[in-house]
Amino acid sequence: EAQVTQNPRYLITVTGKKLTVTCSQNMNHEYMSWYRQDPGLGLRQIYYSMNVEVTDKGDVPEGYKVSRKEKRNFPLILESPSPNQTSLYFCASSGYYNSPLHFGNGTRLTVT
Amino acid sequence: AQKITQTQPGMFVQEKEAVTLDCTYDTSDQSYGLFWYKQPSSGEMIFLIYQGSYDEQNATEGRYSLNFQKARKSANLVISASQLGDSAMYFCAMREGGGKLIFGQGTELSVKP
Repeated sequence: EAQVTQNPRYLITVTGKKLTVTCSQNMNHEYMSWYRQDPGLGLRQIYYSMNVEVTDKGDVPEGYKVSRKEKRNFPLILESPSPNQTSLYFCASSGYYNSPLHFGNGTRLTVT
Repeated sequence: AQKITQTQPGMFVQEKEAVTLDCTYDTSDQSYGLFWYKQPSSGEMIFLIYQGSYDEQNATEGRYSLNFQKARKSANLVISASQLGDSAMYFCAMREGGGKLIFGQGTELSVKP
């Protein structure tokens, strides 16, 4: 089954404790991206990757890191999480430019 | 700079009636794509419809159609014959030639029986 898999689904952590949210797709998509969703703000793009070893900042990259060492994986790293990073995070991938995004099921992160 | 605006935070519609969800955008690119996604209360993001900036005809997918007015920079979603299962959050999104993709703030649609 074609899918984008994010883990974990729920994560509660404390300020400053490094964490990684994994994202993997099995559709051989070149494009992958991360979003955070906050009430009233819609989804905001954190980082995106057009291909392996190519990553670019979205609109809200501060406090986040990503890497794209393999085509299928695009982990999101929070080196020192803060409470304002409490949010719902989505990973997504797509093939061609005009192809729709395939979304993961989301990761709800709480930073206390 | 790219911008997407959805001016209706919440909408109500009677079951079986049609409803239009507004979306306006701003871009200086000639080539771009517009998307609509649905997010039910369960949280997943579901693709509904796509319109390319060079597409001359309005996109349609079943009960969904996109009213694309390029000169006015609007890409409104029309849902015909609303169903109770259409109650959800709806997001308009735009992608330019690169990888940046932006979403509007969303419109919460409630369908009344």
